[in-house]
Amino acid sequence: AQSVTQLGSHVSVSEGALVLLRCNYSSSVPPYLFWYVQYPNQGLQLLLKYTSAATLVKGINGFEAEFKKSETSFHLTKPSAHMSDAAEYFCAVSDRRGTGRRALTFGSGTRLQVQP
Amino acid sequence: DAGVTQSPTHLIKTRGQQVTLRCSPKSGHDTVSWYQQALGQGPQFIFQYYEEEERQRGNFPDRFSGHQFPNYSSELNVNALLLGDSALYLCASSLGGDAAFGSGTRLTVV
Repeated sequence: AQSVTQLGSHVSVSEGALVLLRCNYSSSVPPYLFWYVQYPNQGLQLLLKYTSAATLVKGINGFEAEFKKSETSFHLTKPSAHMSDAAEYFCAVSDRRGTGRRALTFGSGTRLQVQP
Repeated sequence: DAGVTQSPTHLIKTRGQQVTLRCSPKSGHDTVSWYQQALGQGPQFIFQYYEEEERQRGNFPDRFSGHQFPNYSSELNVNALLLGDSALYLCASSLGGDAAFGSGTRLTVV
């Protein structure tokens, strides 16, 4: 069984400040890990993913995440927040087995608020 | 290149009724997955279809059923609606790689 825990349902930062959204996972097999963003009334957009290559993964819009096996973590960071980053962020996990058609297990989400 | 399209965008149903939601996958994708996202929560996997068969299923009752057509489009059917079925239903398509998500159907059960 797999699960994801996102610490902090709401995070507020000032524009230009560091963004840090926390995600810890539990998986009995080596995982694939993902971060998605959801803007109001929209679907999910993939920010980045970890699939066992480099442990530091760079994504779109200046976001990156680091896979730390010892800490079972996959925290999302961005050096400087922009107003347009305000959205809901979801961490997700899937296993590596199968043909690539993997179901995703999502965390409960973190709402990022960016203050001017 | 059209992405994943879902219809309708919103609908309101009464408890006990049945509902059908529709999804057209992104061009070239052959696999469709459905997720339920309750308010304030993350999406939960309902089931996945490819080659017109249900291949994986999450922890949802048999009231939730689906279908995939030869053109890869898919339907999600929910019978005997409960108030707790109110949610955003997301469709995701893939071709063995990263999934692309639609904007969802907002179902309200009253």
